[in-house]
Amino acid sequence: QKEVEQDPGPLSVPEGAIVSLNCTYSNSAFQYFMWYRQYSRKGPELLMYTYSSGNKEDGRFTAQVDKSSKYISLFIRDSQPSDSATYLCAMSAGGAQKLVFGQGTRLTINP
Amino acid sequence: GAVVSQHPSWVICKSGTSVKIECRSLDFQATTMFWYRQFPKQSLMLMATSNEGSKATYEQGVEKDKFLINHASLTLSTLTVTSAHPEDSSFYICSARLAGGDQETQYFGPGTRLLVL
Repeated sequence: QKEVEQDPGPLSVPEGAIVSLNCTYSNSAFQYFMWYRQYSRKGPELLMYTYSSGNKEDGRFTAQVDKSSKYISLFIRDSQPSDSATYLCAMSAGGAQKLVFGQGTRLTINP
Repeated sequence: GAVVSQHPSWVICKSGTSVKIECRSLDFQATTMFWYRQFPKQSLMLMATSNEGSKATYEQGVEKDKFLINHASLTLSTLTVTSAHPEDSSFYICSARLAGGDQETQYFGPGTRLLVL
């Protein structure tokens, strides 16, 4: 079993829809949780990071962490075609520990 | 957000040559940088962790004599692919660790695409 599980998709939704992306993990030591967006042939771009449990909102993006369930989510409201990319969840235990990535979900927003 | 640059963005070389890739943190100091490799439609694979002023820590299966890493300053790490071969063709991405308070994140460079002929 992988430390971090993420459905690779592909996921295709119409413009304006709410998108929900999720990851589950098995290591209870993880405390730092991140979502990255990666466009084709580009490096990952940090979208959201959360420490421990809770919600964090930034514009159209909301990140949720439920440590009791070992489950994290990223919600995208009013999705745009420019949101089409691969979304990677990542997490670490902190203290310069390496990031553990999900497989990435390929998302397409259709105009 | 913090900015990490990589140079070159792409390189084509002949088999047997060495290629150096630079990774710079432009607006913050990074005691730790990471080097990843990514194959098409796959997630990132960590190759090594680079600490300023000390030897890099390589992941299992990564040849340290083939992938030389130097982290000579708090803003620069380099990866040299020695005697490159076609199977080394890939997308190489670096990241720099930014930590403080409740923040523990990595910021990634734009990547370097290597093609070995």
